[in-house]
Amino acid sequence: GQSLEQPSEVTAVEGAIVQINCTYQTSGFYGLSWYQQHDGGAPTFLSYNALDGLEETGRFSSFLSRSDSYGYLLLQELQMKDSASYFCALFSGGYNKLIFGAGTRLAVHP
Amino acid sequence: DAGVIQSPRHEVTEMGQEVTLRCKPISGHDYLFWYRQTMMRGLELLIYFNNNVPIDDSGMPEDRFSAKMPNASFSTLKIQPSEPRDSAVYFCASSSDSQSSYEQYFGPGTRLTVT
Repeated sequence: GQSLEQPSEVTAVEGAIVQINCTYQTSGFYGLSWYQQHDGGAPTFLSYNALDGLEETGRFSSFLSRSDSYGYLLLQELQMKDSASYFCALFSGGYNKLIFGAGTRLAVHP
Repeated sequence: DAGVIQSPRHEVTEMGQEVTLRCKPISGHDYLFWYRQTMMRGLELLIYFNNNVPIDDSGMPEDRFSAKMPNASFSTLKIQPSEPRDSAVYFCASSSDSQSSYEQYFGPGTRLTVT
């Protein structure tokens, strides 16, 4: 089977940098996606890593290491609006579906 | 594009009643996914379609749940009979093709409460 682990909660200060980790177990996958979900809202796509290394999209970056079964989402210059839940998800390309982690709730304080 | 459209946004029903949730995917998207989200179980994939054909329904909890996609612009998820444990937010999502199904576009969700 496939499983992912993320911290349940992370707290940070406005303007700071925060890293949300994701470890996984799988027999095979194509890549790792990250989604953001605000309270009462729908998940929205942030980033995808098909290869090892860092992918940068504005203030957000995502990293994948297949040898360590590990990835992370890095959020820089935190803003209050970044307070949300963040999900990592394994993309099983052969089955064209995402398996989501339980999510990490990020609280950004002034 | 209007994005993925779901209706109703909220549904309150009594145990034993039939519930039908509706979804219109983004035009041109080949894949449609139905998810359920609860605090206890997180975001679970129930079923997905490719070109209107159900591909994987292994996440459908039991026979009370059924899903159809009669055409490329419409899908339904039906629960009959509904039970209190079905209370959750149900999301529909779509993606353009198999190569990019890692990027899915979610609808606003239907919050279902079964009393």
